[in-house]
Amino acid sequence: DAKTTQPNSMESNEEEPVHLPCNHSTISGTDYIHWYRQLPSQGPEYVIHGLTSNVNNRMASLAIAEDRKSSTLILHRATLRDAAVYYCILRTGGATNKLIFGTGTLLAVQP
Amino acid sequence: NAGVTQTPKFQVLKTGQSMTLQCAQDMNHEYMSWYRQDPGMGLRLIHYSVGAGITDQGEVPNGYNVSRSTTEDFPLRLLSAAPSQTSVYFCASSHRTGGTSEAFFGQGTRLTVV
Repeated sequence: DAKTTQPNSMESNEEEPVHLPCNHSTISGTDYIHWYRQLPSQGPEYVIHGLTSNVNNRMASLAIAEDRKSSTLILHRATLRDAAVYYCILRTGGATNKLIFGTGTLLAVQP
Repeated sequence: NAGVTQTPKFQVLKTGQSMTLQCAQDMNHEYMSWYRQDPGMGLRLIHYSVGAGITDQGEVPNGYNVSRSTTEDFPLRLLSAAPSQTSVYFCASSHRTGGTSEAFFGQGTRLTVV
């Protein structure tokens, strides 16, 4: 299973943009890049995913490098409710569809 | 829509006891999986299933059994609980559509083995 590398922790100020990086140099052509976040004492929740092109949804944007070896999750205006652990995961397009979590990035948002 | 429902929410077991953690989803998802999360760590995949009657091992399967007799249910069995199995357990489900599916997670079962 392809691995991802993320910083252990990051800090942001409220109402400022946040860029959360992820490296996935061993990504294969059929791997989708998924982002999940886990709020304290809750199960993970889906944020966004993409394959090659940049993606936007109501929660965030995902910027994918042209060589697909890295990506960045962008929260356009961080709020205190965005404080969570963010996981960058490669989900295979093959038969198993496994989601293998890494250690994630703990995002702290300061008021 | 209930989503993914896990029961119980909390459980204390004595070493050597057995129990089953229940997971049910009402979204007609083919793919279901179980994870454990130890304090300060990420989630580790225990077992997963791509459809009724089909299960496979994840990263940390030892000490756990699963079965998938229906699309809706995916119970996780601990045959002889050990203190090392103290953890928070999460169940997840998604459609099986290549790598594009959004996974939905339950709220977790906090298990303590004494």
